[in-house]
Amino acid sequence: DAMVIQNPRYQVTQFGKPVTLSCSQTLNHNVMYWYQQKSSQAPKLLFHYYDKDFNNEADTPDNFQSRRPNTSFCFLDIRSPGLGDAAMYLCATSRDRSVSNIQYFGAGTRLSVL
Amino acid sequence: AQSVSQHNHHVILSEAASLELGCNYSYGGTVNLFWYVQYPGQHLQLLLKYFSGDPLVKGIKGFEAEFIKSKFSFNLRKPSVQWSDTAEYFCAVGSSGNTGKLIFGQGTTLQVKP
Repeated sequence: DAMVIQNPRYQVTQFGKPVTLSCSQTLNHNVMYWYQQKSSQAPKLLFHYYDKDFNNEADTPDNFQSRRPNTSFCFLDIRSPGLGDAAMYLCATSRDRSVSNIQYFGAGTRLSVL
Repeated sequence: AQSVSQHNHHVILSEAASLELGCNYSYGGTVNLFWYVQYPGQHLQLLLKYFSGDPLVKGIKGFEAEFIKSKFSFNLRKPSVQWSDTAEYFCAVGSSGNTGKLIFGQGTTLQVKP
C-alpha cells in the first residue's frame, strides 16, 4: 500500500497560472520534504517541514511556497510557473531529521508548463 | 558544498552480467550514504545504506555497496543482473546539519536486456 501519495501524477499548467501539488502520508512522520527533479538531473531539495516548522533552502526561488495544514498533508504551491519550472516534483517523509532516517518517497508529480 | 557524482549515466547490460555503478562524494566528514532505486513508473525506494561499521553493506535484491573512505566512493555492485533490475539508480549522501537533507547524484539508468 502506498504510504506517500502524490496527486496528481501529471499536471499541466499554463505559463504564469498558479498551480498546487499535493502530498499525503500515512506514516505519521514528522518531516515532509519537497524535491524538484529536472530532466537528467539530480533531485534537489526545495524545502521541508519539521512538524509545523517550515525550512526553506537558501536557493529556492520565492515563486515556490509550501503549506502543511496537518501532519498528513503537505502542498507545494507555484505562484507563477515559468517554463523552467517544468520538472518532476517529489515528496518524501521521514520520522525525524536525523540523517540516518530513511526517507520514503511518493511516485512524484510531473509538471508541464505550456 | 557537498556533492555527489555518478560516473555512468546510462548502462546497458545483458542478463547475468555483473554490475558496478560508480558513486563519489565530496564531503570529508562523517557521511551517511544511500543508494535509491526507481523502477519504471514507481517511486524512489531505498536499496541500501551505510552509516558506520562494516564498509561492505548488503541491500535488497542481491545488491551490495562498498564504502571506501580513502577514495570518497560508495560503488554499487551486483554479481548477476536480471531484466527486472532495469531502473534508475541514485546515489545520495546525507547532508551535515540537522535537516535530514539528501544530496543526490544525477542518477544512472540501467537497462538490462533479456
